[in-house]
Amino acid sequence: EAAVTQSPRNKVTVTGGNVTLSCRQTNSHNYMYWYRQDTGHGLRLIHYSYGAGNLQIGDVPDGYKATRTTQEDFFLLLELASPSQTSLYFCASSDKGWGGYEQYFGPGTRLTVL
Amino acid sequence: QQKVQQSPESLSVPEGGMASLNCTSSDRNFQYFWWYRQHSGEGPKALMSIFSDGDKKEGRFTAHLNKASLHVSLHIRDSQPSDSALYFCAASNDNYAQGLTFGLGTRVSVFP
Repeated sequence: EAAVTQSPRNKVTVTGGNVTLSCRQTNSHNYMYWYRQDTGHGLRLIHYSYGAGNLQIGDVPDGYKATRTTQEDFFLLLELASPSQTSLYFCASSDKGWGGYEQYFGPGTRLTVL
Repeated sequence: QQKVQQSPESLSVPEGGMASLNCTSSDRNFQYFWWYRQHSGEGPKALMSIFSDGDKKEGRFTAHLNKASLHVSLHIRDSQPSDSALYFCAASNDNYAQGLTFGLGTRVSVFP
């Protein structure tokens, strides 16, 4: 069973604050993804990566940066957090990027921006 | 407009009963369809995939795909309390590595 971990599990910050969400996968997967989950919007893709140093833009990238430092680690950065970024964030990984491969999700980070 | 639409939004099923979930896509490029299940406080987990027209059965779960109408369904037979969860339909196209497009989900509640 693929393992994806996220930290922190909960985070509260203020408007304008800096936040870094961390994700690690230990399955040697090439692809990693960041999604946000909101009521009324389902899960939406923010950024994804197919290897260390690579970054691809997803469907809702505004206000977010991401960095893939190693094959295992993928970070989501909110440099000037806004209340609209209050959400549940999930990281996922998959062996290959095309749709026939299962994505394995982490447990999520709940972010509140006051 | 949501590219992957699910119905109903919520569903209550008696224990031992049948739950039927529907999903329709508006993008004819979608070729790969998944059902993911999310229990409260957890991340989504893949339940099953379906890529070809027809039925696919895995235990108590049966998925059906009709690519011509871009409709996929999920049927849960002999529903158990542990099936109470949020069910997402997700789709992906042939383009290499564009992630999954998720629907808004159907919340299933199984009552005794």
